[in-house]
Amino acid sequence: KQEVTQIPAALSVPEGENLVLNCSFTDSAIYNLQWFRQDPGKGLTSLLLIQSSQREQTSGRLNASLDKSSGRSTLYIAASQPGDSATYLCAVKGNNDMRFGAGTRLTVKP
Amino acid sequence: NAGVMQNPRHLVRRRGQEARLRCSPMKGHSHVYWYRQLPEEGLKFMVYLQKENIIDESGMPKERFSAEFPKEGPSILRIQQVVRGDSAAYFCASSRTGETIMNTEAFFGQGTRLTVV
Repeated sequence: KQEVTQIPAALSVPEGENLVLNCSFTDSAIYNLQWFRQDPGKGLTSLLLIQSSQREQTSGRLNASLDKSSGRSTLYIAASQPGDSATYLCAVKGNNDMRFGAGTRLTVKP
Repeated sequence: NAGVMQNPRHLVRRRGQEARLRCSPMKGHSHVYWYRQLPEEGLKFMVYLQKENIIDESGMPKERFSAEFPKEGPSILRIQQVVRGDSAAYFCASSRTGETIMNTEAFFGQGTRLTVV
């Protein structure tokens, strides 16, 4: 059974800092990995999708990497802004399902 | 192309009543996933469905919960005889069919927040 872990559980940084969120998974037989953002009381917004054959994806200030063999992904956020404050979730897609980590709650202080 | 639509957005039920949650996938999507999110917790997988088929229901409680995705109409998550512990946000996601289904992106609805009083 796939287990997805996200570290740290919570992170607070001053505005402007670069930061890295971590995601690890136990079964490397995945099809893709997706990073989402969730604001309090809201749904999930897809940020980046990395196919199993890819190493990284970039969108604006976001860069996600994938090392499937070691079961790890990182989400790098450059020049963080208060508007980046949210919970960030990673999800790995296997044969029949998509499993989520518990998320990292990010707070960017002005 | 509207996104994944879930309704109702908020649902209040008394203990013992039934709750029906609906999810209309994006146009062209025939794969639906249901998740439950308890306050301050991550998303827990419940069930994965394709049109008229349950593919994986390993995350569904054995009693009171059922899901369907008929040929026509939305996917329905049904909770019978609700209890207070069922209070949570229920999210569905959809993805499209095709040869590369396994590599396609999943899109989420805004969720249904169920409160059992």
